[in-house]
Amino acid sequence: DAGITQSPRYKITETGRQVTLMCHQTWSHSYMFWYRQDLGHGLRLIYYSAAADITDKGEVPDGYVVSRSKTENFPLTLESATRSQTSVYFCASSESLLTGSSGNTIYFGEGSWLTVV
Amino acid sequence: AQSVTQLGSHVSVSEGALVLLRCNYSSSVPPYLFWYVQYPNQGLQLLLKYTSAATLVKGINGFEAEFKKSETSFHLTKPSAHMSDAAEYFCAVSDPYNTDKLIFGTGTRLQVFP
Repeated sequence: DAGITQSPRYKITETGRQVTLMCHQTWSHSYMFWYRQDLGHGLRLIYYSAAADITDKGEVPDGYVVSRSKTENFPLTLESATRSQTSVYFCASSESLLTGSSGNTIYFGEGSWLTVV
Repeated sequence: AQSVTQLGSHVSVSEGALVLLRCNYSSSVPPYLFWYVQYPNQGLQLLLKYTSAATLVKGINGFEAEFKKSETSFHLTKPSAHMSDAAEYFCAVSDPYNTDKLIFGTGTRLQVFP
């Protein structure tokens, strides 16, 4: 049971380069999320997707692009990386609405450490 | 806007002592509330969640949390700390205006000393 996997786990890139972080989940969850984690800020939502071909902005979407052509994949692209995008990025997925009657759980990947130099 | 505040970015306890991690939320309607734990170099793992059923919620690894509407709090407790509890803990609240999202606190790092 692979669950949710992120790649690469560690990446160093230069300012101005395009970087794509991959996320793959094996549960066929409808919802997928991208968060970034920074000291003093906790986790902040970048983008999320309710289903294939449906995406929406979170708290901090600027400088990022997402796509969801298949239910199981949700790549995050930094179009032109900046130093301020150095962070740990977490992908997550959820079966359905978070606050439906069952209060569904979000499951997280292990994170992608990105350094922009 | 919905928000969650975790008081204390670092908490230190001795092994065997009570663990208390504080979380307060702001919301005009009762939210759903969650506690997640993050061990070093790992993703977040759900500890427990409150979804408007019993106000005292029991989670994994002996943790529990109590929803107190009058205090807008959802503090996490464990009667006796273990060395393996050392981690970062995040409180999260559902956004009542957008039920597809969670809003996280800034986290509390728990250290356990022998």
